[in-house]
Amino acid sequence: EPEVTQTPSHQVTQMGQEVILRCVPISNHLYFYWYRQILGQKVEFLVSFYNNEISEKSEIFDDQFSVERPDGSNFTLKIRSTKLEDSAMYFCASKTVSDTQYFGPGTRLTVL
Amino acid sequence: GESVGLHLPTLSVQEGDNSIINCAYSNSASDYFIWYKQESGKGPQFIIDIRSNMDKRQGQRVTVLLNKTVKHLSLQIAATQPGDSAVYFCAEIGSGNTGKLIFGQGTTLQVKP
Repeated sequence: EPEVTQTPSHQVTQMGQEVILRCVPISNHLYFYWYRQILGQKVEFLVSFYNNEISEKSEIFDDQFSVERPDGSNFTLKIRSTKLEDSAMYFCASKTVSDTQYFGPGTRLTVL
Repeated sequence: GESVGLHLPTLSVQEGDNSIINCAYSNSASDYFIWYKQESGKGPQFIIDIRSNMDKRQGQRVTVLLNKTVKHLSLQIAATQPGDSAVYFCAEIGSGNTGKLIFGQGTTLQVKP
């Protein structure tokens, strides 16, 4: 069964450093998303991406964040200058034209 | 604003019993709801969904009930098993056409053997 994959599973970085989180969505999916989950809290929407552009972003997704689909398979989330409060689980999700989103296993980002 | 909430942070049940996990939502215009299961260290896993033109939908051992009058959603798990232990989130499709999901806080289901 096809699934969303994410790498790395755990990323540790120093405050102020740039990180890139990688996702490979399900191959025939057209809509892509990033969410984050701070430890013990609910999952929060960050950004949606369709047709090679951002379709919506939340207040969390400020100028330090960017997304890219550099080729036909990868979908990346970049944080330019990480802050302590960026420490969280980051989930990638994808879907077809239907409403059901399928999530990857997540990347745990730890900012020291 | 949009918000989805769950009534109880933790639910503890005996193996074999039925579990009911509740969720309240605030946006009366919401037309699509999903239940996800999240096991420790993993991403949310789709369980079942329901559209607002339905009151009930059944899957394998799971049933989702939607009461639009009181804006309440529930997930019923029949014959709960240890493998059902996880955090359960309800989510709704947010406003706009991007398909973003708005999640509730989550209920931790603990199944006692």
